[in-house]
Amino acid sequence: DAGVIQSPRHEVTEMGQEVTLRCKPISGHDYLFWYRQTMMRGLELLIYFNNNVPIDDSGMPEDRFSAKMPNASFSTLKIQPSEPRDSAVYFCASSFSTQETQYFGPGTRLLVL
Amino acid sequence: GENVEQHPSTLSVQEGDSAVIKCTYSDSASNYFPWYKQELGKGPQLIIDIRSNVGEKKDQRIAVTLNKTAKHFSLHITETQPEDSAVYFCAATLPGGGSYIPTFGRGTSLIVHP
Repeated sequence: DAGVIQSPRHEVTEMGQEVTLRCKPISGHDYLFWYRQTMMRGLELLIYFNNNVPIDDSGMPEDRFSAKMPNASFSTLKIQPSEPRDSAVYFCASSFSTQETQYFGPGTRLLVL
Repeated sequence: GENVEQHPSTLSVQEGDSAVIKCTYSDSASNYFPWYKQELGKGPQLIIDIRSNVGEKKDQRIAVTLNKTAKHFSLHITETQPEDSAVYFCAATLPGGGSYIPTFGRGTSLIVHP
């Protein structure tokens, strides 16, 4: 397996624009997680899915953020409209269960100007 | 929910020295404790994990110890090398799946000086 795949790897956009981050989890994994990492706040869990169903989105900062998982092999995290404070590295991770290893993707480095 | 504290936030050692990172957790029911290493520009990767039925686990230069009574666990790296320089995260997980997912510590930046 190629591991967790994220795209794009880097994104530079202007404030107010819509940003869509994409993730392909490892085949067979039932859990998918979206994290945001910044120097100030560390690694924050935004939302996670179990069998394509969102379980907990309490970490999503505000209504500008939304996430979907239309099928077992694809998930998106959307920010609309984007703001400079959204600049961070966004990671997607997947796992078989909550008691097993989380496999992280390489991350998307987002810069909102 | 679970709460995980990790210390120190930064650790600087000389090559060859040992490094110890400590984490405490709040819920005594937690039973799975993974450690992740994040190298610059990459996502975190699991380096070792321990379950609550075990007190210690070792893998070459890396070991993890768990004290369930005190609710803390530690990562030990011996004979450190420059390539050990990275950010290390601990996590604690409550059993049951579903809404119980790993809670991560804030991370420790380990710097190994050649």
